[in-house]
Amino acid sequence: RKEVEQDPGPFNVPEGATVAFNCTYSNSASQSFFWYRQDCRKEPKLLMSVYSSGNEDGRFTAQLNRASQYISLLIRDSKLSDSATYLCVVRFGDTNAGKSTFGDGTTLTVKP
Amino acid sequence: DTEVTQTPKHLVMGMTNKKSLKCEQHMGHRAMYWYKQKAKKPPELMFVYSYEKLSINESVPSRFSPECPNSSLLNLHLHALQPEDSALYLCASSQSVLNTGELFFGEGSRLTVL
Repeated sequence: RKEVEQDPGPFNVPEGATVAFNCTYSNSASQSFFWYRQDCRKEPKLLMSVYSSGNEDGRFTAQLNRASQYISLLIRDSKLSDSATYLCVVRFGDTNAGKSTFGDGTTLTVKP
Repeated sequence: DTEVTQTPKHLVMGMTNKKSLKCEQHMGHRAMYWYKQKAKKPPELMFVYSYEKLSINESVPSRFSPECPNSSLLNLHLHALQPEDSALYLCASSQSVLNTGELFFGEGSRLTVL
């Protein structure tokens, strides 16, 4: 079983749609959680950190459920510019300090 | 604009060449990383430097040799590479390995081995 598993996608949605991505992680010692966005042939860029209390940034909402070892990303009112690959990233603390594990990514295409 | 700068952006080399990739950050971060990314795959960790010392080597072949001359610079020396080593090489930094905050990535060096 992979340490971090994401919805395989791809997701093809019309503009204005709401889309949700899910991610599960297997290591209960995981400490920090992030969603990164990666455009084609570009570097990953931080979209949001994910906190237990949930957090929202405009059209984007991220949630963490430590009991179920699950994180999610919700995008409301999708824009064409949201088309990208979304990477779920889990960072570890002391025992694997410095390691971040990436999910395989979920590709989103928003169509007019 | 990214605060982690990588050079060169593109590199083509033969299997007998020796070349180096360079990475620089001026955010005062004490952890620096090399990742390798193949097309349609997530980044894979290669090396982690913490306070200029190598702390993680993910069983990377010796034809890749990292170097951290100071807290702002990270190099990856390449020698006798294989065509399958062609990939995007990403440098990243973070405050420290124990601070589980975000990674900041450079734009990457796209390597082609002929």
